[in-house]
Amino acid sequence: QSVLTQPPSVSGAPGQRVTISCTGSSSNIGAGYDVHWYQQLPGTAPKVLIYGNSNRPSGVPDRFSGSKSGTSASLAITGLQAEDEADYYCQSYDTSLSDYVFGTGTKVTVL
Amino acid sequence: QITLKESGPTLVKPTQTLTLTCTFSGLSLSTSEVGVGWIRQPPGKALEWLALIYWDDDKRYSPSLKSRLTITKDTSRNQVVLTMTNMDPVDTATYYCAHKVRSTDWPPFDYWGQGTLVTVSS
Repeated sequence: QSVLTQPPSVSGAPGQRVTISCTGSSSNIGAGYDVHWYQQLPGTAPKVLIYGNSNRPSGVPDRFSGSKSGTSASLAITGLQAEDEADYYCQSYDTSLSDYVFGTGTKVTVL
Repeated sequence: QITLKESGPTLVKPTQTLTLTCTFSGLSLSTSEVGVGWIRQPPGKALEWLALIYWDDDKRYSPSLKSRLTITKDTSRNQVVLTMTNMDPVDTATYYCAHKVRSTDWPPFDYWGQGTLVTVSS
């Protein structure tokens, strides 16, 4: 049972903007631990999309952006493209559980 | 270039012990603050962190699975081994190993293996 909650799915037309929320608590995101986002394309391993709340690794398009506030974080995808269809997971650390925690995952569908 | 690859059985029986090996290149577990961890993903479900070992043999385990897990490293062979005892069908999942650095800013699992699917069935 994950302690980071994400919407099961979000969808949008090509070119639109979508956002994915990641809701935690005072023992993880709210405690100041960084949030990271992973993109998992069908049949592949997860890949870091955003690290340290809002930083993009080299090679990740600037269409992807991350933010964090209080006990939640968000991933935004602007200019949605067909290749963005994937599962997205947030990840942080929980000090109460002493556990590296992942979110419940969100499937992005491009209409 | 950092690469990791998981290996082990694809099928285990209930109650058996699973042993998985992560073989990596482009990183060394003799380098300060370098770590390798294991994460699993049941079919159609979310990711779950299992265990992590650092260069200085500091070991971390998921509290919910700690009693069943053992993680070890062989620095000379560039390998990390995970054992999980008393396997159950609910442990059916793709198991990934991944690189992580130990740091006060809690960095991500930044390089992942391709994963290996383990099915638990009699």
